[in-house]
Amino acid sequence: DTGVSQDPRHKITKRGQNVTFRCDPISEHNRLYWYRQTLGQGPEFLTYFQNEAQLEKSRLLSDRFSAERPKGSFSTLEIQRTEQGDSAMYLCASSLSFSSDTQYFGPGTRLTVL
Amino acid sequence: GNSVTQMEGPVTLSEEAFLTINCTYTATGYPSLFWYVQYPGEGLQLLLKATKADDKGSNKGFEATYRKETTSFHLEKGSVQVSDSAVYFCALYQRDNNNDMRFGAGTRLTVKP
Repeated sequence: DTGVSQDPRHKITKRGQNVTFRCDPISEHNRLYWYRQTLGQGPEFLTYFQNEAQLEKSRLLSDRFSAERPKGSFSTLEIQRTEQGDSAMYLCASSLSFSSDTQYFGPGTRLTVL
Repeated sequence: GNSVTQMEGPVTLSEEAFLTINCTYTATGYPSLFWYVQYPGEGLQLLLKATKADDKGSNKGFEATYRKETTSFHLEKGSVQVSDSAVYFCALYQRDNNNDMRFGAGTRLTVKP
């Protein structure tokens, strides 16, 4: 069990650019979650997958955000036309579906939009 | 909707002091309750959890009891160490309600030697 990994750990981009983050969950976990955490706040749910199916999306996930999990393993989160308000820590978590209340978090990707 | 309110920080304690971080929740059903800890530069780590009323979660000297009558899940530790300095998040999860984890805003704890 190598834990949840995320890449990159840090990303600095200019406003208007597109960025993509990757998450590799714990290998046997079929659920994968994305959260956003802004400074001084707790994580806020964005979306989750069960295997390759995206089952739920938060209203926080605007049209500029898209997430995929094509083979039910790793996932990507893309933000198009980034805005300064997108600056945050993006956290990924995974779980087993039958114990979905126990989620294991990755270290996060910190995005800074200049 | 479901929500979590936790004690605002920062909290500063001397080593070996007693710690309490208050957490209350709002939920329509029977959520599971959690405390997560986030050390500087790291992701969230599950500290403890409780899945039903009157359950007590415990780990590393920390404990919290699920109190349905007061909708609370306060975190306690009898004797804190410098290494406990971190941000603590209370959270709830309800399987039949959006399947998302709801977090409090976090409480930063600093323990001084």
